[in-house]
Amino acid sequence: QSALTQPASVSGSPGQPITISCTGTSSDIGAYDYVSWYQQDPGKAPKLIIHDVNFRPSGVSSRFSGSKSGNTASLTISGLQAEDESDYYCISYTTTNTLVFGTGTKVTVL
Amino acid sequence: QVQLVQSGAEVKKPGASVKVSCKASGYPFITYAIHWVRQAPGQGLEWMAWINADNGDTNYSEKFQGRVTITRDTSASTAYMELTSLTSEDTAIYYCARSRITMVVVGQHWGQGTLVTVSS
Repeated sequence: QSALTQPASVSGSPGQPITISCTGTSSDIGAYDYVSWYQQDPGKAPKLIIHDVNFRPSGVSSRFSGSKSGNTASLTISGLQAEDESDYYCISYTTTNTLVFGTGTKVTVL
Repeated sequence: QVQLVQSGAEVKKPGASVKVSCKASGYPFITYAIHWVRQAPGQGLEWMAWINADNGDTNYSEKFQGRVTITRDTSASTAYMELTSLTSEDTAIYYCARSRITMVVVGQHWGQGTLVTVSS
């Protein structure tokens, strides 16, 4: 099972929206609505920000939203803030009853 | 509150095995699954395996199949991850994470991580 493909880096100015893509196959993202997104700061455990494609856990900012089309999932951060500068990972359930992470995206706030 | 507390850092020689524990509290252990994820220094997250804490069913990433074994002790609310035939490429932080109520979805509760260093 190959890692899902994410852009290595995405940047934006404060207040701008950015979107991170996560491309898989019909055996993972395309097969189920079990795509999640994590935010990870250096030296810390990942933080769940989106699950089941587009659901936010309690306490996660509404600036984060998720979507999916075919074999590609996306995370959008509307109104980028300095505190959003972090690493982001997607993860999907697969048809072999396993999971696979994306390659990770570093978000930089300009 | 939900807590996952992992065992301490380990230093192992190449070829050895390591066993990391993950003690859960604050919720009914058998209602959820435990997933294991690792992160090598400066690298991304890598999903390894998961165990249904109720019936003990396991599923492993193809990459680790044959080298990793996930078990659980329901009486101790603890899950274990054992990795054998260690090489330097296994040097990483190993995390356990509780699933959401849907067991195949990794949730928001993670252990603090266990650093495993493989060095001769």
